[in-house]
Amino acid sequence: SSELTQDPAVSVALGQTVRITCQGDSLRSYYASWYQQKPGQAPVLVIYGKNNRPSGIPDRFSGSSSGNTASLTITGAQAEDEADYYCNSRDSSGNHFWVFGGGTKLTVL
Amino acid sequence: EVQLVESGGGLVQPGGSLRLSCAASGFTFSSYSMNWVRQAPGKGLEWVSYISSSSSTIYYADSVKGRFTISRDNAKNSLYLQMNSLRAEDTAVYYCARTKFYGDYDGAFDIWGQGTMVTVSS
Repeated sequence: SSELTQDPAVSVALGQTVRITCQGDSLRSYYASWYQQKPGQAPVLVIYGKNNRPSGIPDRFSGSSSGNTASLTITGAQAEDEADYYCNSRDSSGNHFWVFGGGTKLTVL
Repeated sequence: EVQLVESGGGLVQPGGSLRLSCAASGFTFSSYSMNWVRQAPGKGLEWVSYISSSSSTIYYADSVKGRFTISRDNAKNSLYLQMNSLRAEDTAVYYCARTKFYGDYDGAFDIWGQGTMVTVSS
C-alpha cells in the first residue's frame, strides 16, 4: 500500500509533550519527513531522516521511527506550535514516487 | 535568500489548460530535483509530480498521469507544470518544492513556494 496514515486531530496542554504518529508500509524502507503548516501558509520542513532538524527549527521538535511507524514529538509544546502536521516519505509500493499522510491538526490548549 | 515563487494560477473551465511556473532564486537550481505538490481547499497535501535535476527522470501521481506534464529550464532557473484536460477535482493550491536527498534513497521537501491557486469551474 502507498498510504501513510495519521490521526486527524491531537491536542496537548501548553508546555506538555505530544507525539504525532504516521503509519505505513513505506516507512519500513524509508524515513519519514515532517512538515508544519499554519493556516494560509506554505508547509515548512521540521524533521527529516532519522532525527534531523533544518536550521531554525526549535530543538523541542524531534523524530523517531520503529517498524512501520514514524513519530514526531514536540517536547514542551508552545502556542505557536498549533498547526497541521504532515508526514511524507518515498513510496515503497512503486505506485508513486512520494506519498503524504492525511495530516494531523494539533491543538495547543 | 533561497526562494521559490509560483505563478500562472487562475480560473479555468473544465477541460481547459493552464501552465504553472515556479521561479527559483538563491541556490543552484540545476543541482536540485523538484516537485509539484497540491492542496485542495480544506484538504491535505498531495504530491503531483517529480523531475530530476537534469530532467532525465520524471514521475507523476496516478491522478494526473496523462494530463499533466512537468518540465524545467535550468538556464532560466524555472520549473513548469502544463495542466491539460482540467477537472473540478484539480482545484487546489499548487506548490513547487525543492527536494533534499539524504542517504541513498531518502528525501524531503526542504524549500516550498507560497503556492498559486488553480480553480477549475464553469
